[in-house]
Amino acid sequence: GQQVMQIPQYQHVQEGEDFTTYCNSSTTLSNIQWYKQRPGGHPVFLIQLVKSGEVKKQKRLTFQFGEAKKNSSLHITATQTTDVGTYFCAGHPSGGSNYKLTFGKGTLLTVNP
Amino acid sequence: SQTIHQWPATLVQPVGSPLSLECTVEGTSNPNLYWYRQAAGRGLQLLFYSVGIGQISSEVPQNLSASRPQDRQFILSSKKLLLSDSGFYLCAWSVRTGSPREQFFGPGTRLTVL
Repeated sequence: GQQVMQIPQYQHVQEGEDFTTYCNSSTTLSNIQWYKQRPGGHPVFLIQLVKSGEVKKQKRLTFQFGEAKKNSSLHITATQTTDVGTYFCAGHPSGGSNYKLTFGKGTLLTVNP
Repeated sequence: SQTIHQWPATLVQPVGSPLSLECTVEGTSNPNLYWYRQAAGRGLQLLFYSVGIGQISSEVPQNLSASRPQDRQFILSSKKLLLSDSGFYLCAWSVRTGSPREQFFGPGTRLTVL
């Protein structure tokens, strides 16, 4: 079955440093979604990428979807303590079910003030 | 606006006891509904999903079951809990058509089986 892998599992940074998490799928995706889960909270949708090579920005967050639509990345510039949480990527398989999202295991980001 | 409710927020149950977790969605019709479990390792494991009343798809064989008696109600049950059933249970919904089909998660239920 489809697998979505994320690296790293954990990342600890000093406030102001940049952060990147990478997502790789074993199969081609029709889209990739990113979620953020604050400690003790539930996942919250951040963004969806659909097109090959697509890049989207949300303030200090930059999301990329690979040309082959099998990988993605989330980059945070100048991290802040409010960025703390687990970042998940999730994708719908290309040509497959539109109902099920396959989630990566997430990257836990901690920020030292 | 749409809201999703889950209860209870926390639950401590003995091994072998039954379980019933309820999820309801407001402000939307015909949603896709999902049950996830999140263990200490942080990953989200899809347990069940439903595209309509009475339609349940199971992703992982286990001693859990799900039901959808009404369009916006999704119930997770077990007849006898195991220690391994402990975790954070999340209900989610998404629209059935259109894009983006992001999932909206409820606040979750933290279940501890002792």
